Amino acid sequence: DQQVKQNSPSLSVQEGRISILNCDYTNSMFDYFLWYKKYPAEGPTFLISISSIKDKNEDGRFTVFLNKSAKHLSLHIVPSQPGDSAVYFCAASEGSGTYKYIFGTGTRLKVLA
Amino acid sequence: DAGITQSPRHKVTETGTPVTLRCHQTENHRYMYWYRQDPGHGLRLIHYSYGVKDTDKGEVSDGYSVSRSKTEDFLLTLESATSSQTSVYFCAIMHGSSDTQYFGPGTRLTVL
Repeated sequence: DQQVKQNSPSLSVQEGRISILNCDYTNSMFDYFLWYKKYPAEGPTFLISISSIKDKNEDGRFTVFLNKSAKHLSLHIVPSQPGDSAVYFCAASEGSGTYKYIFGTGTRLKVLA
Repeated sequence: DAGITQSPRHKVTETGTPVTLRCHQTENHRYMYWYRQDPGHGLRLIHYSYGVKDTDKGEVSDGYSVSRSKTEDFLLTLESATSSQTSVYFCAIMHGSSDTQYFGPGTRLTVL
């Protein structure tokens, strides 16, 4: 049973517009969430995280929103740039002391110039 | 850069042969992980370690074993490789101060 789901395998967005990547989870014990970006032939790189005590976290062009009641998080990229084209994974953890993540299946973002 | 290297970076082997992948870190992190990445499955945890000689299974551990005899090295062994183990394998460390995992560059393994 997939506890972390990314239902959109791919997404195309025009340069300069907003990219919205979505992630749903089923385990109500998850309380720490992360987004990773992955380029081909490289390891995933950490992008941004959010704890369940917050509903929003911002870092430059990247913002993660958490809706605990809906068990949903989203990553907004504004403005999107061609260099953002990559596969994005969301991950969830039951928080401090667990030290294990469950990853989603990934969304391939293509930003068109 | 979290000081993680993986070796080899690419390997082609035949069904039934043993294979060992190495993950090396330079920053003395306690937690280390092995994942595999496959299309449609994302990243799945194989095994992880929470200290020297302390390891535990992840969600896809069948057919894999691990060892950690010193802090800096975490080895993943496929005792008898099968075609279903063709994948890209990533090692990760947990940065304790931030509860964030950082990944190595990956090893592409092909089992013929």
